Amino acid sequence: DVKVTQSSRYLVKRTGEKVFLECVQDMDHENMFWYRQDPGLGLRLIYFSYDVKMKEKGDIPEGYSVSREKKERFSLILESASTNQTSMYLCASSPKLTGLGYGYTFGSGTRLTVV
Amino acid sequence: GDSVTQMEGPVTLSEEAFLTINCTYTATGYPSLFWYVQYPGEGLQLLLKATKADDKGSNKGFEATYRKETTSFHLEKGSVQVSDSAVYFCALYPYGNNRLAFGKGNQVVVIP
Repeated sequence: DVKVTQSSRYLVKRTGEKVFLECVQDMDHENMFWYRQDPGLGLRLIYFSYDVKMKEKGDIPEGYSVSREKKERFSLILESASTNQTSMYLCASSPKLTGLGYGYTFGSGTRLTVV
Repeated sequence: GDSVTQMEGPVTLSEEAFLTINCTYTATGYPSLFWYVQYPGEGLQLLLKATKADDKGSNKGFEATYRKETTSFHLEKGSVQVSDSAVYFCALYPYGNNRLAFGKGNQVVVIP
């Protein structure tokens, strides 16, 4: 089975800190995604990547950046954490041909609290 | 643009009741359709899928049929259990360039 592993289940950070959320997948997927999930707002795409060193902005990229130096790893960076970035963060991956029934595989999520 | 709409609001029902969660979509072509489930404190898991019209996806007692004429992919289960309490997301591919579009999700609470 494909596994997408997020490094932390729970994180508490202070306002202004630089925060790194790590995501690793073990099935050689080309595509990787970062979402945040908030009550009443569903899933919102922050950034995604179709290949190593490639990145594209999603719907809410402000305040975030990403890094994909290796195919299996996709990092989300909060440059200066703020309380409005308190949320559940979900990483996902998919093969290049997502629509041929494969869909996405998600990690277990990281619940980040910024105080 | 392409989008997915799920019925508003949480769903609360008793154990062994029949569950329906509505999902309709807007798409220019012939999308693939998915249902994902998120159990408390977890990420999303693929529940079932359908890649062409009239396909029926099924898993764990859940079913959904891809209806092109009504642009729908409603999720059903004949007899729910407390363990089915979760958030359910409908999704469509493609959205933009090789992405999934997700509905807002529906919280399902099953009471013993």
